[in-house]
Amino acid sequence: DIQMTQSPSSLSASVGDRVTFTCRASQSIRTYLNWYQQKAGRAPKLLIYAASTLQSGVPSRFSGSGSGTDFTLTVSSLQPEDFATYYCQQTYTSPYTFGRGTKLEIK
Amino acid sequence: EAQLLESGGGLVQPGGSLRLSCAASGFTFSSSDMTWVRQSPGKGLEWVSSISGSGGSTYYRDSVKGRFTISRDNPKNTLYLHMTSLRAEDTALYYCAKQVGELEFVHWGQGTLVTVSS
Repeated sequence: DIQMTQSPSSLSASVGDRVTFTCRASQSIRTYLNWYQQKAGRAPKLLIYAASTLQSGVPSRFSGSGSGTDFTLTVSSLQPEDFATYYCQQTYTSPYTFGRGTKLEIK
Repeated sequence: EAQLLESGGGLVQPGGSLRLSCAASGFTFSSSDMTWVRQSPGKGLEWVSSISGSGGSTYYRDSVKGRFTISRDNPKNTLYLHMTSLRAEDTALYYCAKQVGELEFVHWGQGTLVTVSS
């Protein structure tokens, strides 16, 4: 199975900050990489697909980049509603594995 | 707006069976590939199984192959996951999700909790 490693596991930041989440795959997954946001008690929500394509309805402060094994999700200016856990997922090959997530907390 | 509503979870003994259901509305169900994803504190998010819109193609993670069966009833707009020989490690919140494109899970239900314990 392809292992997806997210770092850091948690992150503290303030409203207005620019933050970057990192995801690394154990082998090349080209750009078959999705990012999800999950708030407590809620289902995950798709933010970015194909490494860099913004899902419809997602604010433009979210952006994704990367290919091969290294990927990033950036939030350009944090808003109060962005504090949540962020997961990456590879869809290059089955099983379609997720990272363990990065929890974004308010500083 | 697409809506998904899971049901059928509960407490079951090891070796037991459960059938999960996912009622879909707000989109053309028969044209949509569907997926089950589970989440547990120990293993995080795990893709479990997917099925094509027609039901003709099904896919499973290795740990559930031969034990779980995904199916759908398109006239009833309902997705199923029949789980047998349940193990403690199957304990999780099970979500159904609508797939688009290259396995983007674009709509999710609220989940149904499966607990396998004696």
